[in-house]
This record gives sequence, structure tokens and C-alpha cells, in this order.
Amino acid sequence: DTEVTQTPKHLVMGMTNKKSLKCEQHMGHRAMYWYKQKAKKPPELMFVYSYEKLSINESVPSRFSPECPNSSLLNLHLHALQPEDSALYLCASSQLPPGGGHTIYFGEGSWLTVV
Amino acid sequence: SQQGEEDPQALSIQEGENATMNCSYKTSINNLQWYRQNSGRGLVHLILIRSNEREKHSGRLRVTLDTSKKSSSLLITASRAADTASYFCAIELSYGQNFVFGPGTRLSVLP
Repeated sequence: DTEVTQTPKHLVMGMTNKKSLKCEQHMGHRAMYWYKQKAKKPPELMFVYSYEKLSINESVPSRFSPECPNSSLLNLHLHALQPEDSALYLCASSQLPPGGGHTIYFGEGSWLTVV
Repeated sequence: SQQGEEDPQALSIQEGENATMNCSYKTSINNLQWYRQNSGRGLVHLILIRSNEREKHSGRLRVTLDTSKKSSSLLITASRAADTASYFCAIELSYGQNFVFGPGTRLSVLP
């Protein structure tokens, strides 16, 4: 079983709604990630937090806003999304940021549907 | 593209047979990791192989890495129906802070 917990598992939201995806890990990892995955495609990196600071933003639209309140929590705030943003959103964590050869552990994901 | 490229994209075999999936990449890497993803679920880490390693085993899994050819293979021996899933390689680039997935291989193991 994964030690990265994501909530909610499923979310349906309208294009004018504001919602958040949440992620939690208690492995003491100092790097946390958000990935987006469309059907039959590989995960695509969105954001990386290293030591609670945003270190990578892969040119993600501002309607996605990440937040790392502390070393165990990672949020993804959603606002004014488009139907094409519907996807599986995966949270992940690793002991240290990429470059250190550490395994990245993934949560089960949050299925997002934008209507 | 820096990402790994996997082949085959889809593989269908009978239970008990071996399954081999390949991953190629274009740039210098720190390590390469293999993941499994059951339909609609999260990714499960299978094995990590570092750039100075050539082969690693874990149960029925065998991973090889050839940095001169910039390629890796994942062998699953004595496959089971429960091995049906998508398998992704992911490369950790040796520069920057990035971790990139290949397109994946969809494996179907028929009972």
C-alpha cells in the first residue's frame, strides 16, 4: 500500500468552481510532486516542492495553484478549470529532490472531472 | 525529447510466459526506475537501477541498463494474470531536478 495519501479520490467540478486536491505523506520526505495523467498517457510533471519551496513549475496555467503548508502536506488549488483539465492527478514524494537517486512514491491519485 | 521511449507499446502474452519491455532514452541519467500502474490506479515502484549498475533483480523482475546504448529492459518471468498493467520507465536526468516518464507498455497476461 502507498504511504502517500490523496483526497478526494474523485472530484467533479464546474468551470466556475474553486476546489482543492490534498496530499499527505508521513515518510519524512522533503520533496513532493504533482503530476497530471491523461488516459493511456504517461504522467506529466506539473510542480516540484523541495524543502517546502516551489522548485519546478512546468509552465502550468495559473488556474492550478500549488501550496505546501508544511513538509507533510501538499495541496493543489483549482479555479476556473476547463473540461480538458479532466485527468488523474497524482501526488508523489521522495526523500530528497530529484538528482539524488531517490525512489519517488506515488499516491493513488485524484480523478478530476470538469463539467 | 528527453523522455524515455518504450517498446512495445502493447504486449499480450499467455500466463507462464516471460514478458520483456524496453526503454530507450537520449540524455545522460542518474538512474532509471520502473513503475507499474493498474488501470485507474496510482503508480507502484518496482525497481531502481543506478547509472553505474548493469543489472538488478527483484523477485520475478530483472532489469538491465546499458548506458552506452542508452537503454534498459524489464523482464517479468513466469507471468501471471495479476501482472496485467501498464509499465513505465522513468529517468532521473543527471542535470536539473527532473524525473521524466516514458510512454509506457500495456501488458496483458491471458489466463
